[in-house]
Amino acid sequence: AQSVTQLDSQVPVFEEAPVELRCNYSSSVSVYLFWYVQYPNQGLQLLLKYLSGSTLVKGINGFEAEFNKSQTSFHLRKPSVHISDTAEYFCAVSYNTGGFKTIFGAGTRLFVKA
Amino acid sequence: KAGVTQTPRYLIKTRGQQVTLSCSPISGHRSVSWYQQTPGQGLQFLFEYFSETQRNKGNFPGRFSGRQFSNSRSEMNVSTLELGDSALYLCASSATQETQYFGPGTRLLVL
Repeated sequence: AQSVTQLDSQVPVFEEAPVELRCNYSSSVSVYLFWYVQYPNQGLQLLLKYLSGSTLVKGINGFEAEFNKSQTSFHLRKPSVHISDTAEYFCAVSYNTGGFKTIFGAGTRLFVKA
Repeated sequence: KAGVTQTPRYLIKTRGQQVTLSCSPISGHRSVSWYQQTPGQGLQFLFEYFSETQRNKGNFPGRFSGRQFSNSRSEMNVSTLELGDSALYLCASSATQETQYFGPGTRLLVL
């Protein structure tokens, strides 16, 4: 069975500080990995994805993530956060079962303080 | 290209009623998936449609159903609404199966 664990439910950080949001997954099959961001009263916006190739993936808004197969992790990082990055972030894995299924982590609330 | 659109954005219903939500995918996307998002359960997969056929289904009761039309637009229906059905219902469309693009959601409140 596949599962996704986001290790922190909330991450408070000061503006312009670096941040890392942690995500671990478990799967018996190959997976694709994603990070989504959700602002209040909105849907999910794709930040970045890992399908294959380079394990360091760059996304929108200055975010990047590194796929670590041995540690089954896909942590999201940003070197300097802004107030506008305050949102909920979801890690997700997608796998093929004769049609793709996607499961999401519980989410990490990033709160950027001035 | 226009993004995924969902209508209505907000809905209030009472217990026992039924509701139909609509989703229009990104042009050219043939796969549409539905998710329920609640504070307690997070994001849960409802079902996925591809070329008018349900391809995958989550663990929801039969009161939750869906369909997809030939133009890839999709609807989901919830019959005999319960208080616990109050949630944000998200639709996502996909062209390449593994990557999904989400709409803004329909917030359903059941009283």
